[in-house]
Amino acid sequence: DTGVSQNPRHKITKRGQNVTFRCDPISEHNRLYWYRQTLGQGPEFLTYFQNEAQLEKSRLLSDRFSAERPKGSFSTLEIQRTEQGDSAMYLCASSFGQSNEKLFFGSGTQLSVL
Amino acid sequence: AQKITQTQPGMFVQEKEAVTLDCTYDTSDPSYGLFWYKQPSSGEMIFLIYQGSYDQQNATEGRYSLNFQKARKSANLVISASQLGDSAMYFCAMREGINNAGNMLTFGGGTRLMVKP
Repeated sequence: DTGVSQNPRHKITKRGQNVTFRCDPISEHNRLYWYRQTLGQGPEFLTYFQNEAQLEKSRLLSDRFSAERPKGSFSTLEIQRTEQGDSAMYLCASSFGQSNEKLFFGSGTQLSVL
Repeated sequence: AQKITQTQPGMFVQEKEAVTLDCTYDTSDPSYGLFWYKQPSSGEMIFLIYQGSYDQQNATEGRYSLNFQKARKSANLVISASQLGDSAMYFCAMREGINNAGNMLTFGGGTRLMVKP
């Protein structure tokens, strides 16, 4: 499979717990993006990486959120001390990095915080 | 102000007919790009079509075409010969600025398209 892969597909957690999601981009893509999508809304940008460097972070990304992309391959998104407002679909996308280039998205991780 | 506005929360279309999904955008940047993505119930965002602000002709990709009216700041998606598999959420998105080195996209709220047999 050469698409963007995200794990897990679904995550249910209790408020206050930490969760971590993983994204495996298309192998030759050097850019990786995280977006968040709440029910009935379009995706909102969170952060992106050029290779292993995290170059941009949205104001939506509070201190409880941290993202990494060691070695410029897969990426992880960790949410500490989850809150009910964190419940959303977390989408990962990758691209070659040209200005007019389409992003290839994964199927997302659906997070439910109880 | 909303950067991307999609005014149709839901649309019905008869199978084999054409349908237009509306999108208006707001930017003061002369360089921008407009994208349409499809999101079926599986959740994955699927790229459909791209239009650059300096492109002279409307973009087309198979059954998809983009009706780009720059002065009106609209970028409507036209789907010809609708199929049952076209039933999904459709999102319009914009990339602004030559300084947007990260190619970050701003998405609209989406339109749910339902194709009737």
